[in-house]
Amino acid sequence: QVQLQQSGPGLVKPSQTLSLTCDISGDSVSSSSAAWNWVRQSPSRGLEWLGRTYYRSKWYHDYAVSVKSRISINPDTSKNQFSLQLNSVTPEDTGVYYCARDDGTVRPFEYWGQGTVVTVSS
Amino acid sequence: DIQMTQSPSSLSASVGDRVTITCRASQVINHYLAWYQQSPGKVPHLLIFGASTLQSGVPSRFSASGSGTDFTLTISSLQPEDVATYYCQKYDRIPWTFGQGTKVEIK
Repeated sequence: QVQLQQSGPGLVKPSQTLSLTCDISGDSVSSSSAAWNWVRQSPSRGLEWLGRTYYRSKWYHDYAVSVKSRISINPDTSKNQFSLQLNSVTPEDTGVYYCARDDGTVRPFEYWGQGTVVTVSS
Repeated sequence: DIQMTQSPSSLSASVGDRVTITCRASQVINHYLAWYQQSPGKVPHLLIFGASTLQSGVPSRFSASGSGTDFTLTISSLQPEDVATYYCQKYDRIPWTFGQGTKVEIK
């Protein structure tokens, strides 16, 4: 059974960097069939996919156009986890952030982290 | 990017009623459509994938159909525990995109 455990601060100041980590158990971040995603949710934007990382002989990344200039999603194979960094945040980035696993076009988000409420405020 | 449009945005029905939610994609996505249930204060939960395949453990009162651009989710007999917001999601190609959600309440 795959479990995803998120960690990271719930309050970030405007213009600073939002950083979250997702610990994986029951699977490997280097899995050749899975991809590791970040999704956020807010009243104004609904559910919004932000990006993902996955390993297919080498590491790949996909990012949403809306955040592409500010986002980085990175795997850490030594800790079996992956992280989200979102730079230059504004109050519009306030929301609940989830990590989630997909296995491409076979099955979408079957496993989710518990969610982290992130508020961008001074 | 492909847009996903759900209707209605909310509905209220009685226990035992048949409930249908629709999701329309702005372009053909074949059968790459999933449905999620998000109960109040909870994490989204996968109900359906492949447009019509029930995820393991999901009650059989949930069913779904469709292909191409038009999809439906049906609850055959609404139960109190089905109070939630339901989202469709397309996953044929990046970016993964969700519908805006349909809030289901008990009358």
